[in-house]
Amino acid sequence: QVPLQESGPGLVKPSETLSLTCSVSGGSIRSRNYWSWIRQPPGKGLEWIGYIYYSGRTNYNPSLKSRVTISVDTSKNQFSLKLSSVTAADTAVYYCARVDTAMGWEFDYWGQGTLVTVSS
Amino acid sequence: EVVLTQSPGTLSLSPGERATLSCRASQSVGSSYLAWYQQKPGQAPRLLIYGASSRATGIPDRFSGSGSGTDFTLTISRLEPEDFAVYYCQQYGSSLYTFGQGTKLEIK
Repeated sequence: QVPLQESGPGLVKPSETLSLTCSVSGGSIRSRNYWSWIRQPPGKGLEWIGYIYYSGRTNYNPSLKSRVTISVDTSKNQFSLKLSSVTAADTAVYYCARVDTAMGWEFDYWGQGTLVTVSS
Repeated sequence: EVVLTQSPGTLSLSPGERATLSCRASQSVGSSYLAWYQQKPGQAPRLLIYGASSRATGIPDRFSGSGSGTDFTLTISRLEPEDFAVYYCQQYGSSLYTFGQGTKLEIK
């Protein structure tokens, strides 16, 4: 098992920056895996945000790229998400997940998710 | 960007019946890079199938995946009460991920 746990504010004001952290326990973030963020607006489907490798290599969804930064802190076994200039459309459950690069780059472990509401 | 279209949007079946869920891609997807997930209300998605046809750890053998190119299928051979949920397909190609919109499997 590679438990993942998201943490961060549940409420963010419009135009501000959403910040979340994913803590990885039960395994090192310094592995062959990549680490990803995925979100799900209430009642809707899943949207991939981006991923990071422990070296700092990143890749983002082009639709969000201008507003997203994913970073990693190997000393804390954590990775983080920052999404700037948020609007109500960014209200969603945000999941962190592990990418299993040994197979087909699927998401094999997920955090429980954290709801972030954008509202004044 | 590869668009994944799942059908049907909602599938109403009874326990014990067979479920067939479809995922069609707008362009060819490498079979190694097609996965299926199950999501129950209030829970994170759970990986069921990877590489189009390989079951993830702990997934019962009533779940099976098949397909190639642009057409993929998830089959549940005999529905159990705990199988009623939303199912998503997902692909990875050109360093980008996309998900289908989901199929809701509901009890008839």
